[in-house]
Amino acid sequence: NEVEQSPQNLTAQEGEFITINCSYSVGISALHWLQQHPGGGIVSLFMLSSGKKKHGRLIATINIQEKHSSLHITASHPRDSAVYICAVYGGATNKLIFGTGTLLAVQP
Amino acid sequence: DGGITQSPKYLFRKEGQNVTLSCEQNLNHDAMYWYRQDPGQGLRLIYYSQIVNDFQKGDIAEGYSVSREKKESFPLTVTSAQKNPTAFYLCASSHLRGEGYTFGSGTRLTVV
Repeated sequence: NEVEQSPQNLTAQEGEFITINCSYSVGISALHWLQQHPGGGIVSLFMLSSGKKKHGRLIATINIQEKHSSLHITASHPRDSAVYICAVYGGATNKLIFGTGTLLAVQP
Repeated sequence: DGGITQSPKYLFRKEGQNVTLSCEQNLNHDAMYWYRQDPGQGLRLIYYSQIVNDFQKGDIAEGYSVSREKKESFPLTVTSAQKNPTAFYLCASSHLRGEGYTFGSGTRLTVV
């Protein structure tokens, strides 16, 4: 697989710090972190091409040399429960390649 | 507000019937995409279009057809040739080079 995520499933207690990892094997121009709730709709959380981005309790980092990205959630809450999907945008292919997602359940 | 609209949210069809899923965007995006999602699998690209009146096959185009007569619209037809059409279908759009990637809320198609 060109995009691998870990773990596939994650259960956390409310308030815990959460990390989801993404590794990819292709050349990319950008990496996306997406959130999919049980209803199915997908929301884009971040688009990264280098460094680090932060939005509220969410932090995304990318290391281009190591072909690796992480999504962190600080002070997790049950409403963070969702599937988190990593996707890479390859300039050569001009389309997104998706990981299989990480199912996160945050328990109160 | 700008966005991307898919309809309907749920769709039931009898085996052997063609069905068309709607996707409309008012984000002025050049590129539009159709994905299929099955349980336990990542999203797979069916078709994409980067300009009006032009579209390209994705990884699983067999049994599907699309049109792009207007910049705002990219309907997907699931034909009777698609052997396993029951799935969750997502439409997306973006500027060229992937900026501003936006997803619709999806259509869950069940063929009985």
